[in-house]
Amino acid sequence: DTTVTQSPASLSMAVGEKVNISCKTSTDIDDDMNWYQQKSGEAPKLLISEVNTLRPGVPSRFSSSGYGTDFVFSINNVLLGDEGIYYCQQSDNVPYTFGAGTKLELK
Amino acid sequence: EVQLVESGGGLVQPGGSLKLSCGASGFTFSNYYMAWVRQAPKKGLEWVATINTSGRRTFYPDSVKGRFTISRENAESSLFLQMNSLKSEDTATYYCATRGQPGDYFDYWGQGVMVTVSS
Repeated sequence: DTTVTQSPASLSMAVGEKVNISCKTSTDIDDDMNWYQQKSGEAPKLLISEVNTLRPGVPSRFSSSGYGTDFVFSINNVLLGDEGIYYCQQSDNVPYTFGAGTKLELK
Repeated sequence: EVQLVESGGGLVQPGGSLKLSCGASGFTFSNYYMAWVRQAPKKGLEWVATINTSGRRTFYPDSVKGRFTISRENAESSLFLQMNSLKSEDTATYYCATRGQPGDYFDYWGQGVMVTVSS
């Protein structure tokens, strides 16, 4: 199974700052990394698929990069409405596995 | 607008069974692979099952293989998850989701249904 190691576990940022979240995989997954946002009490929402495909309606402040085993998710100019937990997920092989999540709080 | 509505959750004793349903609308259900993803209380996300468009191919992680069965009824735009031999560690919110096209990510999600396994 591919293990996905996500860091940091939590972040406290000020409005307008840049957020970076890392995910590292135990096997080479090419570009099969996806990113989700989960706000409190809600279902997860897909933000980015296969490293760099921004889903419809998702602001361009969200982006990601990486290939193989190292991936980074970024939010430029973070806003209050971006608070929540962010998860990465590898879709290269079964079982599909998620990172443990990064809780983003705004100061 | 894509809508996925789960139902069938509740409290069940260890060793018991439960069947979840997911009603879909707003898209051509029969054209999409579908999946279930769960989230234990205050925990992360875990993929539970995926089914292809015809229903003939299914995929599971080892944690539920042999106990859970995913199925679908395309004529009714419905997805199901039959859960048998339930354990306390199956306690979670279960989400129905569309699989991406063509990738194995989870595109649209329902609001989730809670399953509690406890005596």
